[in-house]
Amino acid sequence: EVQLVESGGGLVQPGRSLRLSCAASGFTFEHYAMHWVRQAPGKGLEWVSGLNWSSGTIAYADSVKGRFTISRDNAKTSLYLQMNSLRVEDTALYYCVKDRHGWGTAFEYWGQGALVTVSS
Amino acid sequence: QSALTQPPSASGSPGQSVTISCTGTSSDVGAYIYVSWYQQHPGKAPKLLIYEVNKRPSGVPERFFGSKSGNTASLTVSGLQAEDEADYYCNSYAGSNNHVIFGGGTKLTVL
Repeated sequence: EVQLVESGGGLVQPGRSLRLSCAASGFTFEHYAMHWVRQAPGKGLEWVSGLNWSSGTIAYADSVKGRFTISRDNAKTSLYLQMNSLRVEDTALYYCVKDRHGWGTAFEYWGQGALVTVSS
Repeated sequence: QSALTQPPSASGSPGQSVTISCTGTSSDVGAYIYVSWYQQHPGKAPKLLIYEVNKRPSGVPERFFGSKSGNTASLTVSGLQAEDEADYYCNSYAGSNNHVIFGGGTKLTVL
């Protein structure tokens, strides 16, 4: 059974940093692209970033490029999102997502999300 | 890239059919087969309903049908049931810069 468990969310002041983690299990982690998708309170879904270890592909949404860094540790089957220079508009539930195959083909499995609140 | 365009709401009575559209451009929806649909119930994580335009993951009822014509993808839900009341999102691979874009979501109400 595929499981994705996010952690590291919390309340942070604007301009500060936070690191999200996602522990993955139930599949061969290094074979799949992984992504972060966020959802602001009462709003829709927004793709944030993705990483495919096999192809070396890394991409970011324009809204977070230069501030967020995605990484993964295949040995620990974990995905990370380092978020710097956080803004109020980054407040959202952040989902860790497994791609079905390749890149951007379909978001097959989702975690339950980690809530990030950016407020002074 | 801009978000894909979905109607904010849709509705139908039990047993009826409803279709939700998802309009993009020739750079995303129109260019790739990687168009997906997701169902999200309140307080829950999204669930993959349709991938590669019209394929259903195991366990998704045949009542959910995906299609695409040009730059517009569609999700049809037939034989509406009360549990189909949820938010529905489309997304597409967007090619340039390896971005993935979502639609704004459609709230489906079963009357």
